[in-house]
Amino acid sequence: DTGVSQDPRHKITKRGQNVTFRCDPISEHNRLYWYRQTLGQGPEFLTYFQNEAQLEKSRLLSDRFSAERPKGSFSTLEIQRTEQGDSAMYLCASSEGATNEKLFFGSGTQLSVL
Amino acid sequence: GNSVTQMEGPVTLSEEAFLTINCTYTATGYPSLFWYVQYPGEGLQLLLKATKADDKGSNKGFEATYRKETTSFHLEKGSVQVSDSAVYFCALRSGGNEKLTFGTGTRLTIIP
Repeated sequence: DTGVSQDPRHKITKRGQNVTFRCDPISEHNRLYWYRQTLGQGPEFLTYFQNEAQLEKSRLLSDRFSAERPKGSFSTLEIQRTEQGDSAMYLCASSEGATNEKLFFGSGTQLSVL
Repeated sequence: GNSVTQMEGPVTLSEEAFLTINCTYTATGYPSLFWYVQYPGEGLQLLLKATKADDKGSNKGFEATYRKETTSFHLEKGSVQVSDSAVYFCALRSGGNEKLTFGTGTRLTIIP
């Protein structure tokens, strides 16, 4: 069990550029979640997958955001035409699947949009 | 909608002091309640949980009781250690969906 890993740890980009983040969940976990956390705030839910199916999306996830989990293993989160307001820590978490099963979080990807 | 209100920090205590971090919530239905902890340089970890009224979650000397009448889930520890220094997040899940709603977090620093 190597835990949830996220790549990259830090990303600096210019406004208007596209960025993509990757998350590798714990191998036997079929649920995968993306959250966003800004300074001084708690994590905010973005989206959730069960295996390869995206089952829930927050209204925070504008049309510039897209997430995939093509084979039910790793996931990617892409932000197109980044804006300064997108600057945040993007967190990935996974769980085995039962409701209220605990979430295992990665260390996050810190995005800075200049 | 669902929301979680946490005691504002930062909180600084001496080692072996008693800790309380307040958490109250607003939710539809009967939520499940959680405390997550983030140690420096690490990802969020589940500390404890309670899934129904009057349940007490406990772990590593921390406790929290699900109080439906006061919509609260306060975190307590009788004697804190320097290693407890971290950011603590109260959270809830409700309505049969998978979304966790978090509070803003409370930074705790324990001094020797």
